[in-house]
Amino acid sequence: GENVEQHPSTLSVQEGDSAVIKCTYSDSASNYFPWYKQELGKRPQLIIDIRSNVGEKKDQRIAVTLNKTAKHFSLHITETQPEDSAVYFCAASPPYSSASKIIFGSGTRLSIRP
Amino acid sequence: EPEVTQTPSHQVTQMGQEVILRCVPISNHLYFYWYRQILGQKVEFLVSFYNNEISEKSEIFDDQFSVERPDGSNFTLKIRSTKLEDSAMYFCASTRQGNSYEQYFGPGTRLTVT
Repeated sequence: GENVEQHPSTLSVQEGDSAVIKCTYSDSASNYFPWYKQELGKRPQLIIDIRSNVGEKKDQRIAVTLNKTAKHFSLHITETQPEDSAVYFCAASPPYSSASKIIFGSGTRLSIRP
Repeated sequence: EPEVTQTPSHQVTQMGQEVILRCVPISNHLYFYWYRQILGQKVEFLVSFYNNEISEKSEIFDDQFSVERPDGSNFTLKIRSTKLEDSAMYFCASTRQGNSYEQYFGPGTRLTVT
């Protein structure tokens, strides 16, 4: 089955700098790649997603890139702010059933230093 | 904006007892999911549900687990005989379309098995 690897597990960046989180997936059939932000004790919330027919997507300070050949995708956050501190999960969704599951990576704890 | 809701927010139960976790998905959504997150770990897929039947389930979802949509609004997860290792946050999610679309997560039920 699908396996998603995520690096780094922790990341500390200076406020205003950029943060990059990288993920790889194993199942070439996966066609949907969401990124979730989870604050302590809260639900995962979608921040951006990308489908396999697109190589890059941007939403204000957040961008995601997808390399289908290498089976890896990355999250880029620019001009980081204190409220960006949270755990970020990448995920992949293989389309084998009518209700496709999401397979999550292990998470990256992002800390923004003032 | 409509949200997925879950009850209770916290459930404490003794080992061997049955628990039912309840979810109300977003009203026009047709695909439903349960995930769990052991404290400090990643979110793990349990089961997906569509058209009144299980679409897919993970290895975690053994005979002790069952799901049901007893009426037009609720979606439940039952654990027949809880074990200590069932202690986790359980998230319900729903989506309007089954493939390559955002899954909306509920706030979770924290299950503590003593």
